[in-house]
Amino acid sequence: GQQVMQIPQYQHVQEGEDFTTYCNSSTTLSNIQWYKQRPGGHPVFLIQLVKSGEVKKQKRLTFQFGEAKKNSSLHITATQTTDVGTYFCAGPINTGNQFYFGTGTSLTVIP
Amino acid sequence: EAQVTQNPRYLITVTGKKLTVTCSQNMNHEYMSWYRQDPGLGLRQIYYSMNVEVTDKGDVPEGYKVSRKEKRNFPLILESPSPNQTSLYFCASSFGAGGPPDTQYFGPGTRLTVL
Repeated sequence: GQQVMQIPQYQHVQEGEDFTTYCNSSTTLSNIQWYKQRPGGHPVFLIQLVKSGEVKKQKRLTFQFGEAKKNSSLHITATQTTDVGTYFCAGPINTGNQFYFGTGTSLTVIP
Repeated sequence: EAQVTQNPRYLITVTGKKLTVTCSQNMNHEYMSWYRQDPGLGLRQIYYSMNVEVTDKGDVPEGYKVSRKEKRNFPLILESPSPNQTSLYFCASSFGAGGPPDTQYFGPGTRLTVL
């Protein structure tokens, strides 16, 4: 079946260091979305990318959608303690309305 | 305030005792969905609904039922809960507009324990 994997599962960084999480889907996605979930909270939408090869930036966050629309990445520059949480990629496969989430990357930022 | 509400937030029950988790949104969204979240597995879609009276299975529908009689409500029903349904459940909604969802808004979650 459809799988969306993320690596790493956990990441601990010193405040100020960069962080990257990678997302890989077994099938083509029609778009990729990224969500952030703070500890004890619910997922919150960050961004959506639709086009092959698309890159978007939100302040210190850079999102990329792969050329084949099967992978994506989120890069955070100079992490802050407010970046703590679990980051999920997600999206629908190319042919349907069912929605798939990645396995998530839990980020801990050490002050 | 635009929001998705779920009730109850916490529930402890016993095997076989039917339960319903309610979900309601006030944003006139067409697409609604239920997910369960388990450690290391991310969120997995249980059921989704494109509009009133239109529901479809997600990735893990076994043991669950849903209904969509009104646009704003999308209850999740466990007819005979089992311990493997112990999980954190999220309801979400999105504009959808006849296709897959764009921005999804999530409820606060329901922590279910089945003994």
